[in-house]
Amino acid sequence: TQLLEQSPQFLSIQEGENLTVYCNSSSVFSSLQWYRQEPGEGPVLLVTVVTGGEVKKLKRLTFQFGDARKDSSLHITAAQPGDTGLYLCAGDGAGSYQLTFGKGTKLSVIP
Amino acid sequence: DAMVIQNPRYQVTQFGKPVTLSCSQTLNHNVMYWYQQKSSQAPKLLFHYYDKDFNNEADTPDNFQSRRPNTSFCFLDIRSPGLGDAAMYLCATSRVGNRLAGERQYFGPGTRLTVL
Repeated sequence: TQLLEQSPQFLSIQEGENLTVYCNSSSVFSSLQWYRQEPGEGPVLLVTVVTGGEVKKLKRLTFQFGDARKDSSLHITAAQPGDTGLYLCAGDGAGSYQLTFGKGTKLSVIP
Repeated sequence: DAMVIQNPRYQVTQFGKPVTLSCSQTLNHNVMYWYQQKSSQAPKLLFHYYDKDFNNEADTPDNFQSRRPNTSFCFLDIRSPGLGDAAMYLCATSRVGNRLAGERQYFGPGTRLTVL
């Protein structure tokens, strides 16, 4: 069974601060995805990382896939209240099209 | 344009009264998933259809059933809802085979189920 450990589980920060969310596993994933979910809505894909060591940037968000494809991080620079939400990492393992989800990080950015 | 549509967005039912949630998609994806999500937790996969093939997760209670009459529609039936079944139910789709881009899932907005 593949597991994704996500940390921290909860994060409350002031507007303008930086933060990093981690997603770790002992398993190798073919790809890893980050979703953001706002209250009352379904998760929306932010990014997919496929290659070990890959770094992708989406405005103030930087995503990194570990060299061994077992872990990933999401870094947000100068957080804004609009970044508030539940951030989920999800990976698909070799030979499986299903996703394994982490438990999520609930981020609150206080104005 | 909405790609994965769930109806209703909010559903209230009584303890033990059967309820059906619906999902439709305009993406023509071959896989459809049903997840249960409780407050601030990750989605928990209940089951999925790969085309017409039904795949149940081992820990999904028998109280939960699903139907997929065609590619576009998928239903979640809860035969006898209990208080513990109150949750957000998410439908998602994916197009298996696009492994170079990762197996992205497209989620609907969810149906929030309340059990009285």
